[in-house]
Amino acid sequence: GDSVTQTEGLVTVTEGLPVKLNCTYQTTYLTIAFFWYVQYLNEAPQVLLRSSTDNKRTEHQGFHATLHKSSSSFHLQKSSAQLSDSALYYCALSPSRNMGYKLTFGTGTSLLVDP
Amino acid sequence: EAAVTQSPRSKVAVTGGKVTLSCHQTNNHDYMYWYRQDTGHGLRLIHYSYVADSTEKGDIPDGYKASRPSQENFSLILELASLSQTAVYFCASSDLEQYFGPGTRLTVL
Repeated sequence: GDSVTQTEGLVTVTEGLPVKLNCTYQTTYLTIAFFWYVQYLNEAPQVLLRSSTDNKRTEHQGFHATLHKSSSSFHLQKSSAQLSDSALYYCALSPSRNMGYKLTFGTGTSLLVDP
Repeated sequence: EAAVTQSPRSKVAVTGGKVTLSCHQTNNHDYMYWYRQDTGHGLRLIHYSYVADSTEKGDIPDGYKASRPSQENFSLILELASLSQTAVYFCASSDLEQYFGPGTRLTVL
């Protein structure tokens, strides 16, 4: 089956410095979309970024990610972390509709931005 | 206007009791899902449904039942609640991108 690996359980960064959250995956099915979800404290997960195109940079809210199928990676980056970015981040991939759009999630990376 | 709502938002149940968690969506999505979230395990899929009156097992279905009486409503049922089922439960609907409800915090004592 599919799997998503997020190697860091916790990433701590100082406000204003760059941050990178790692995501690699393995898939045996036709995966049609890759996501980064963000979950703020006591809130529901919500989509931060979405990509389906190899080697295309996707940006939202200052974050960016590029899907690299050659290395099976979809890392999330930001050039200048903000205090409000502190949250739990999930990398996920989705198969096609006939597979039920069943997301495969990584275990999540908690990002803590210090002042 | 929230498109996926859950009730109750929190619940305390006794071991061996029956618990029903409800989810309602106004997204007009065919697919709906139930997840549980535990620290260190992330989000794990319990049951899902792609059409009314039909449900499918997810990755961790043991101890849970699901019911989809209509496109809009999807319930998760714990017939005999156990301590290990203490968690936060999220419902979601999808047309590829999943939209989550606010969650239900369940504590089983």
